Amino acid sequence: EDQVTQSPEALRLQEGESSSLNCSYTVSGLRGLFWYRQDPGKGPEFLFTLYSAGEEKEKERLKATLTKKESFLHITAPKPEDSATYLCAVQTAGNTDKLIFGTGTRLQVFP
Amino acid sequence: GAGVSQSPSNKVTEKGKDVELRCDPISGHTALYWYRQRLGQGLEFLIYFQGNSAPDKSGLPSDRFSAERTGESVSTLTIQRTQQEDSAVYLCASSLGPLSSPLHFGNGTRLTVT
Repeated sequence: EDQVTQSPEALRLQEGESSSLNCSYTVSGLRGLFWYRQDPGKGPEFLFTLYSAGEEKEKERLKATLTKKESFLHITAPKPEDSATYLCAVQTAGNTDKLIFGTGTRLQVFP
Repeated sequence: GAGVSQSPSNKVTEKGKDVELRCDPISGHTALYWYRQRLGQGLEFLIYFQGNSAPDKSGLPSDRFSAERTGESVSTLTIQRTQQEDSAVYLCASSLGPLSSPLHFGNGTRLTVT
């Protein structure tokens, strides 16, 4: 069964304290891995798509990387406005375009 | 341009009543998805439309749930005879359709069944 697991469930950081979020996946075939950010009361907001092992994408203080078994979202020198829930999702090879989501990592950054 | 719009934003209903949730996707987006998010849980896939057809309905929890899409635009998710376990945020997303296009989400409808 296709599965996506995110860790940690929650992370508290001091402003400027860099860290990484993990997304491990078990799928029959990976078509793409997606990272989203979700603020309270809002829908998820697209951040990155990664397609193959070794690929990296960057946006401001965020960098996403991908291996054959997992993806990392690295947050460099975070600010309080980076506080949100970060969701990882995979799209599997097959006849459907649905995304399978993990349960997310709730990040809180304190000044 | 306008994003994905969902209505109502909040809905409180009594157990046993029927509800309709509406989604207006981004213009030109051929693919449309419904997800459910229970408190503290991940997003649970319900149904996927390509155009007006639904090639994947595998996530609909029971025959009380149905969805349709018309004019390759608006979609309606209907829940009949609502139960308390149906309480959740129902999220709609749309995409351009080609494989691996990112999904663009609305802000959801928060459904509370009392």
